[in-house]
Amino acid sequence: EAGVVQSPRYKIIEKKQPVAFWCNPISGHNTLYWYLQNLGQGPELLIRYENEEAVDDSQLPKDRFSAERLKGVDSTLKIQPAELGDSAVYLCASSLDSSHEQYFGPGTRLTVT
Amino acid sequence: GQSLEQPSEVTAVEGAIVQINCTYQTSGFYGLSWYQQHDGGAPTFLSYNGLDGLEETGRFSSFLSRSDSYGYLLLQELQMKDSASYFCAVRGSNYQLIWGAGTKLIIKP
Repeated sequence: EAGVVQSPRYKIIEKKQPVAFWCNPISGHNTLYWYLQNLGQGPELLIRYENEEAVDDSQLPKDRFSAERLKGVDSTLKIQPAELGDSAVYLCASSLDSSHEQYFGPGTRLTVT
Repeated sequence: GQSLEQPSEVTAVEGAIVQINCTYQTSGFYGLSWYQQHDGGAPTFLSYNGLDGLEETGRFSSFLSRSDSYGYLLLQELQMKDSASYFCAVRGSNYQLIWGAGTKLIIKP
């Protein structure tokens, strides 16, 4: 069984530029999560999807961040424009029906210069 | 506010037993989970406690006391490959998973 796939693995951009991350969850997992993780800290939830619906986006900075999961499968997270403070690892995870057991992708390490 | 407290770092010797504690303060409680994360890797699920008591999975065990808002992860027969960060996470209201800052486990030969 393939795990959660994310791309790109690394991204370096200049501030004020846009960036997008892609995630393909485990087949059959209807719940998808986007997290942000800073060094030495735990993951922080940005948004949670149940199928196509964003059921929790309270922590998503909506002035610059957006996400979509149009067909309830893969998802894209976008930042526009990026700021220096956005440098972090962006993790995607999936689970069955908001189960406590989440499966994480390898993450995208974003560096904003 | 909501918070989880766990030690930032724990050191132990190969072959020994180590306990990583987690105390939490959250609005709503729907279970305590533990995840392992190696440097540069993704978090991987270790265990879940929804009710009070001990859950055992091989060399790893996890305990929960809801009345004390406390749990711990117990690692036995430590191996060098267990060197990693360990996160406790609580599912609070709105089913949101709230994570601790992680405990870095250092294992010495």
